[in-house]
Amino acid sequence: SAVISQKPSRDICQRGTSLTIQCQVDSQVTMMFWYRQQPGQSLTLIATANQGSEATYESGFVIDKFPISRPNLTFSTLTVSNMSPEDSSIYLCSVMKTRQNTEAFFGQGTRLTVV
Amino acid sequence: AQSVSQHNHHVILSEAASLELGCNYSYGGTVNLFWYVQYPGQHLQLLLKYFSGDPLVKGIKGFEAEFIKSKFSFNLRKPSVQWSDTAEYFCAVKRLYNQGGKLIFGQGTELSVKP
Repeated sequence: SAVISQKPSRDICQRGTSLTIQCQVDSQVTMMFWYRQQPGQSLTLIATANQGSEATYESGFVIDKFPISRPNLTFSTLTVSNMSPEDSSIYLCSVMKTRQNTEAFFGQGTRLTVV
Repeated sequence: AQSVSQHNHHVILSEAASLELGCNYSYGGTVNLFWYVQYPGQHLQLLLKYFSGDPLVKGIKGFEAEFIKSKFSFNLRKPSVQWSDTAEYFCAVKRLYNQGGKLIFGQGTELSVKP
């Protein structure tokens, strides 16, 4: 298994500001991902965090809005930039130990409210 | 486009009723399949997973799922639900040999069990 610590657990932010969310795993993992779960909806993949290189973004998500860092095999950050109320959501870090035949583990999430 | 479809948005059952939640995915190739559960106010937890072998897999809390490759389906079942099964259920699919191993989620099914 993998234990994921995500910080902050929640925040209320002013529009136009940025928030950086941290994801720390208790062991080295191959894959790290960032998801968004909007109220009452499913999880949407934002990007795959790649160690030592630029993240791989899904359609509809761009680096300028959601810059991601992954300096090593246990840590990643997601920044939500120039926030608007539409960014209000739960942001989830997810990890997989290996690329194949393993489950994904999820952090508790960061509940973001933009006012 | 890649997709994971869950047939039911909201299911309401009485205790002791049988449950079947449908899940279909739209692409071929080798996949890993998962069902996750999210209890109210809690983070995502793995119910069960299929990697290979016996297409009938058993998970926690009496849940099971059957992988039918010809139908691209992975339906979740439980013979007798309990009030404590009230939660949101998510089907997820991972394509093994491309797409970077990312996990794609269905829309989710909200299960309400009446005592």
